[in-house]
Amino acid sequence: AQSVTQLGSHVSVSEGALVLLRCNYSSSVPPYLFWYVQYPNQGLQLLLKYTTGATLVKGINGFEAEFKKSETSFHLTKPSAHMSDAAEYFCAVSERDSNYQLIWGAGTKLIIKP
Amino acid sequence: KAGVTQTPRYLIKTRGQQVTLSCSPISGHRSVSWYQQTPGQGLQFLFEYFSETQRNKGNFPGRFSGRQFSNSRSEMNVSTLELGDSALYLCASSRQTGFGGEKLFFGSGTQLSVL
Repeated sequence: AQSVTQLGSHVSVSEGALVLLRCNYSSSVPPYLFWYVQYPNQGLQLLLKYTTGATLVKGINGFEAEFKKSETSFHLTKPSAHMSDAAEYFCAVSERDSNYQLIWGAGTKLIIKP
Repeated sequence: KAGVTQTPRYLIKTRGQQVTLSCSPISGHRSVSWYQQTPGQGLQFLFEYFSETQRNKGNFPGRFSGRQFSNSRSEMNVSTLELGDSALYLCASSRQTGFGGEKLFFGSGTQLSVL
């Protein structure tokens, strides 16, 4: 069965430091991959997605993610963290074999230290 | 363009009662999905409707039901509420369904507390 694993329920970085949020998935066919962000008391918002083509995907707010098929990973990065990046981040995957139903990771809360 | 609107924003009910939550998708969007979000279980898929038909369903008991109207607005109903139903219920809309790359637009959710 499809699954999505996000390493670390909480990740803490200093302002200006590199942000790295990890996501691994299990899928037997090429998947569609997503990162969503949820700010406090709000719904989720799409950061970026991979469908086909270039494996390095750029999203909003300076975030990017790289699809690595050999590692079944889709890690999210940002070169320099900002206080406004404090939020919860969700990785999700969908594939044809599961009728494109989104499978979600458990989420990672990103904490930014001043 | 107005975003996804969920009403009410907060709801307090007691065990055994029933509740109906409403979701108005973005104009032109025909797919509406519902999710339950709790600190312990994360995001869990409830169901998806497209053109008034349920397209996908998650692993929730029959107490959870939904429907979609011809204008794409959707309602979710939970009968015989239990304490464990306390959660943030999120609605998301998209233009189409059945395509893996669809972007979901989420509402701010309805926070349901069951006492």
